[in-house]
Amino acid sequence: GEDVEQSLFLSVREGDSSVINCTYTDSSSTYLYWYKQEPGAGLQLLTYIFSNMDMKQDQRLTVLLNKKDKHLSLRIADTQTGDSAIYFCADHNQGGKLIFGQGTELSVKP
Amino acid sequence: DGGITQSPKYLFRKEGQNVTLSCEQNLNHDAMYWYRQDPGQGLRLIYYSQIVNDFQKGDIAEGYSVSREKKESFPLTVTSAQKNPTAFYLCASSIGPVGANVLTFGAGSRLTVL
Repeated sequence: GEDVEQSLFLSVREGDSSVINCTYTDSSSTYLYWYKQEPGAGLQLLTYIFSNMDMKQDQRLTVLLNKKDKHLSLRIADTQTGDSAIYFCADHNQGGKLIFGQGTELSVKP
Repeated sequence: DGGITQSPKYLFRKEGQNVTLSCEQNLNHDAMYWYRQDPGQGLRLIYYSQIVNDFQKGDIAEGYSVSREKKESFPLTVTSAQKNPTAFYLCASSIGPVGANVLTFGAGSRLTVL
């Protein structure tokens, strides 16, 4: 079946850039999303990219999509301690189903 | 402010008991969802509903039940048939047909079975 994979942990220093990676198997993706979850809370949409785009930038966030390799990444510039959270990649396919990855826990050290 | 309210935030249950988790939204969204979150496993879909009085099973519906009598409300019952119910449960909604729009999430309910 369709699958979305992420590494579970990432640790960076404050002020550095963070890059969170995601791979997916679905060939009929329409949108790909990045959600953020702070401890003990629900998920908040960070950004999304349509499948015919290669890149999307939104302030400190840059999303890169390599459709050929089915690889999605989220880059956070000038990472702050407030960026510490779990980041979920999600794939929305043409069947209307939203498939989430396992989540990457980002730890930002001062 | 518009949003999704889940209650209770924390719930403890003895084995063999049914419990119901509440989810209410005032966003006027048509579709509502229940997800289960376990550490390192991401979110798994339990049930979803596109309109009132209609709902569909997700990937892990066994041991759970739902109802959708009102547009604003989508309660989830965790029955005694659910073998491993300890988890974090997330309710979400979207404005249009299932999957077509961005999900708005509630703050979650953490269920612990003693």
